[in-house]
Amino acid sequence: GQNIDQPTEMTATEGAIVQINCTYQTSGFNGLFWYQQHAGEAPTFLSYNVLDGLEEKGRFSSFLSRSKGYSYLLLKELQMKDSASYLCAVSEISSGSARQLTFGSGTQLTVLP
Amino acid sequence: GAVVSQHPSRVICKSGTSVKIECRSLDFQATTMFWYRQFPKKSLMLMATSNEGSKATYEQGVEKDKFLINHASLTLSTLTVTSAHPEDSSFYICSAREGTSYYGYTFGSGTRLTVV
Repeated sequence: GQNIDQPTEMTATEGAIVQINCTYQTSGFNGLFWYQQHAGEAPTFLSYNVLDGLEEKGRFSSFLSRSKGYSYLLLKELQMKDSASYLCAVSEISSGSARQLTFGSGTQLTVLP
Repeated sequence: GAVVSQHPSRVICKSGTSVKIECRSLDFQATTMFWYRQFPKKSLMLMATSNEGSKATYEQGVEKDKFLINHASLTLSTLTVTSAHPEDSSFYICSAREGTSYYGYTFGSGTRLTVV
């Protein structure tokens, strides 16, 4: 099984930088995803990490440390539209084939003007 | 990119009736699709894994007879909520993976089910 933890809520100011942390415990790790979800909508893909290190994509970056079971999502130059829930999700290999994603509880980010 | 179409987006039904939700992969074949349920301000909880041509795999605590899943083709999976009750009201989301691509977990737009 998996145990995925992330903060429930965070607040930041427009233009600032925010880091959302995620810790996980799993066997057969097969990658970690970050998704953004606005209320009432489906999640949208932000990033994927399978190796240690930092992946940068525009204003969004994601970091992974497999030995520590730790990841973070970094959002720069925050905009009001970034107010959303950010979901950390882990994929686990089972019997040689990739399994479904297991999601953390999500971090509700509120960006203030 | 890969697109998953989910229909309907919203449905209101009377208690005791059944509701069918469709999930289609539009430009790729999906041997496996996943059905999630999400309560307000909560994360996605996996309900079942839908396998084309075989029985779905349900997560612990999910009633197989209540949430019927059919995956008759490589592009279509359906979830039928049978004898719906108000506590079944929720946001249901499907996802599919294109081939073995790690980026291929594409989500449908979700279905808001309200049982009155």
